[in-house]
Amino acid sequence: ETGVTQSPTHLIKTRGQQVTLRCSSQSGHNTVSWYQQALGQGPQFIFQYYREEENGRGNFPPRFSGLQFPNYSSELNVNALELDDSALYLCASSWGLQRDTGELFFGEGSRLTVL
Amino acid sequence: AQTVTQSQPEMSVQEAETVTLSCTYDTSESDYYLFWYKQPPSRQMILVIRQEAYKQQNATENRFSVNFQKAAKSFSLKISDSQLGDAAMYFCAYRGLNYGQNFVFGPGTRLSVLP
Repeated sequence: ETGVTQSPTHLIKTRGQQVTLRCSSQSGHNTVSWYQQALGQGPQFIFQYYREEENGRGNFPPRFSGLQFPNYSSELNVNALELDDSALYLCASSWGLQRDTGELFFGEGSRLTVL
Repeated sequence: AQTVTQSQPEMSVQEAETVTLSCTYDTSESDYYLFWYKQPPSRQMILVIRQEAYKQQNATENRFSVNFQKAAKSFSLKISDSQLGDAAMYFCAYRGLNYGQNFVFGPGTRLSVLP
């Protein structure tokens, strides 16, 4: 069983640039969610995708957007990067409705630094 | 909106001793999930233990157990026979029972294990 994988693991951007982060969900999972974890803080919910549709969004501006593909992998896009966007971005997947155990399975994260 | 509070930013414990990490939460829902996740340095977040609110019995997983006090909205984690590998950030998290609801994380407690 393949776990959640994310790429890239580390990247550096400058303010105003755009970034795309990628995530492959764990085998059998059809729900993917993204979290932002600033240094020394707990993860904050960005949004969630279920079967290619966004079905929940946290308090993040529209320049944070995403996609989910037919194979349930996902992308997080951030436009017009700001210094405060520097964080660890975590992708998590979970079972579909028929097997919802409540648990999230996390990837190792993509650490974004904005200069 | 739900909130999760962890009042201990840092804790330390001697190897083989027992330590308890505190968590309180606020919700108006009657049924929900509560979790403790562990995030080792530079490694992915993994589930330690899960509790369904409708179950009165406290969850246990080997050396890890919880003290769930629903009326007090308290959910503490006890680690017995602490090991060096237990050193990590520990996050308490809440999730509503309905499928697809996002997680709400606390700010975390950094646990050090002293040899």
